[in-house]
Amino acid sequence: AQRVTQPEKLLSVFKGAPVELKCNYSYSGSPELFWYVQYSRQRLQLLLRHISRESIKGFTADLNKGETSFHLKKPFAQEEDSAMYYCAPEPSGNTGKLIFGQGTTLQVKP
Amino acid sequence: NAGVTQTPKFRILKIGQSMTLQCTQDMNHNYMYWYRQDPGMGLKLIYYSVGAGITDKGEVPNGYNVSRSTTEDFPLRLELAAPSQTSVYFCASSYHSGTGNGYTFGSGTRLTVV
Repeated sequence: AQRVTQPEKLLSVFKGAPVELKCNYSYSGSPELFWYVQYSRQRLQLLLRHISRESIKGFTADLNKGETSFHLKKPFAQEEDSAMYYCAPEPSGNTGKLIFGQGTTLQVKP
Repeated sequence: NAGVTQTPKFRILKIGQSMTLQCTQDMNHNYMYWYRQDPGMGLKLIYYSVGAGITDKGEVPNGYNVSRSTTEDFPLRLELAAPSQTSVYFCASSYHSGTGNGYTFGSGTRLTVV
């Protein structure tokens, strides 16, 4: 089964500090991975996807197959980045079953 | 383009009552999901469906039922509400794998069982 692990439940940083939210996956092949963000009392929304190698709101994520990781990074955190972040794989072609990690709450202090 | 629509947004139920949480998508997605999110916790998969007429259990299916008679609709049924079902429920949908498009989520239903 496709599984991801987010080891940090809460990450608290000061405004302007670098941020790294960790995500590790435990399956082989060519994973398609995404980061989702949920701002307070809002729906989850797609932040960025591995396949497009994009930078959204200053965030980037690199797939490291050697370390089986897909960490989310931002060089200078902003208060508006405070939210819950989820790492997730694309559904399996066979089952479509999608299991999210526990998520990481990012708290950016002024 | 409405995306994923969930109704109602809020509901208070008494113990033992039943209700249906509605979820509709207009993107012709074949995959649909129901999750619950408890305070300070992540998303737990309740049920999911890979197409009309096909449903399967997720991580926490007890106390819930689903049906998928059409591509667009994926209602979640609570038959005998219990306080442990107090949560925020999210519906999501997706194309089949390999598109790189990710998932689209509804705005959630906040349910309180008293």
